[in-house]
Amino acid sequence: EVQLVESGGGLVQPGGSLRVSCAASGFTFGRYWMNWVRQAPGKGLEWVAHIKQDSSEKYYADSVKGRFTISRDNAKNSLFLQMNSLRADDTAVYYCARDMGATVTTFRIFDSWGQGTLVTVSS
Amino acid sequence: DIVMTQSPDSLAVSLGERATINCRSSQSILYNPNNKNYLAWYQQKPGQPPKLLIYWASTRESGVPDRFSGSGSVTDFTLSISSLQAEDVAVYYCQQYYNTPPTFGQGTRLEIK
Repeated sequence: EVQLVESGGGLVQPGGSLRVSCAASGFTFGRYWMNWVRQAPGKGLEWVAHIKQDSSEKYYADSVKGRFTISRDNAKNSLFLQMNSLRADDTAVYYCARDMGATVTTFRIFDSWGQGTLVTVSS
Repeated sequence: DIVMTQSPDSLAVSLGERATINCRSSQSILYNPNNKNYLAWYQQKPGQPPKLLIYWASTRESGVPDRFSGSGSVTDFTLSISSLQAEDVAVYYCQQYYNTPPTFGQGTRLEIK
């Protein structure tokens, strides 16, 4: 069974930094593109970033480009999101999501999701 | 970025009746070389993460009941639930994956009348 478990969320002040993690199990992590998708309280879904299997390609939403960095450790079946210069509008539940299909090209279809970790940016 | 617009924002349907949710993209998401529409539907129940229901506009994900169906092409798409069950109460999102960034509709809240 595919499992994605996020951790590392919490309360951080504006301008601060936070690193959230996602532990994957139940599938061959290193064969899949991986994503972060966020959801502000009571709002819709927003794709944040994704990373290729070998970390050679990374893409970001314009809203986080230059502030957030996605990374992965295939040996530890883990995905990370380093968030710097955090703003109030970054407050959201951050979901780790697997890309469908273990292929070189991303599908950008999210077939498995974690339960999410809440990041709150407030003074 | 491709803008996805869903209608209605909320919907109340009686148990056993048909529910229909619409989604429109700001540009074509039909890729002509493979004749596929790059459109997915997700269901999000309260307090849960989204769940993939349909992709390629009409292909049901494994394990999704056949009362859920997707249709449409180019810029206009529909998610239908043929006979609404109590467990279908949720927010439904469409998503285009034609290009990066993948973008979602604003969501449609489905309730029981």
